[in-house]
Amino acid sequence: KQEVTQIPAALSVPEGENLVLNCSFTDSAIYNLQWFRQDPGKGLTSLLLIQSSQREQTSGRLNASLDKSSGRSTLYIAASQPGDSATYLCAVPSGGYQKVTFGTGTKLQVIP
Amino acid sequence: NAGVTQTPKFRILKIGQSMTLQCAQDMNHNYMYWYRQDPGMGLKLIYYSVGAGITDKGEVPNGYNVSRSTTEYFPLRLELAAPSQTSVYFCASRGLAGINEQFFGPGTRLTVL
Repeated sequence: KQEVTQIPAALSVPEGENLVLNCSFTDSAIYNLQWFRQDPGKGLTSLLLIQSSQREQTSGRLNASLDKSSGRSTLYIAASQPGDSATYLCAVPSGGYQKVTFGTGTKLQVIP
Repeated sequence: NAGVTQTPKFRILKIGQSMTLQCAQDMNHNYMYWYRQDPGMGLKLIYYSVGAGITDKGEVPNGYNVSRSTTEYFPLRLELAAPSQTSVYFCASRGLAGINEQFFGPGTRLTVL
């Protein structure tokens, strides 16, 4: 059974700092990995999708990397801003691809 | 392209009432999902569908029913609402293998009193 863990569970940083969020998964036979953000009281917004054949994916100040062999992905946020404050989740297909397993989430607070 | 839409946004039910949460997607996605998220908790899968006419149970299906007669729509039915069903409900969709990003609707906040 695929299990997805995110460390740390919560993170507080001053504005402008670069930061890294971690995602670990137990079954390395994944097709892709997706990063989401969730603002309080809102739905999930897709940030980045990395295919299993890729090692990195970038969108603006966000960079996600994937190392299938070690079962890890990282989300790098450059020059953090208060607007980046949210919960960040990673997710991988599971159950023969039909389902999606979500990580436990990292709650990020960027302090002005 | 509206993506995934959900109605209603908010609803208050009395114990024992029934209702249907509506979900629609216009991306021709095969996979559709219903999740619930309790306050401060993660997502729990209620039901999912891999195509029109095919549905299957997730982790927490009790008290819910679904149908998928078309690719676009995937309604979630609550029968005999209970306080334990107070939650935020999210519908999501995903395409087949390849570029298969999952997209979420804005959610329905349900309170059962």
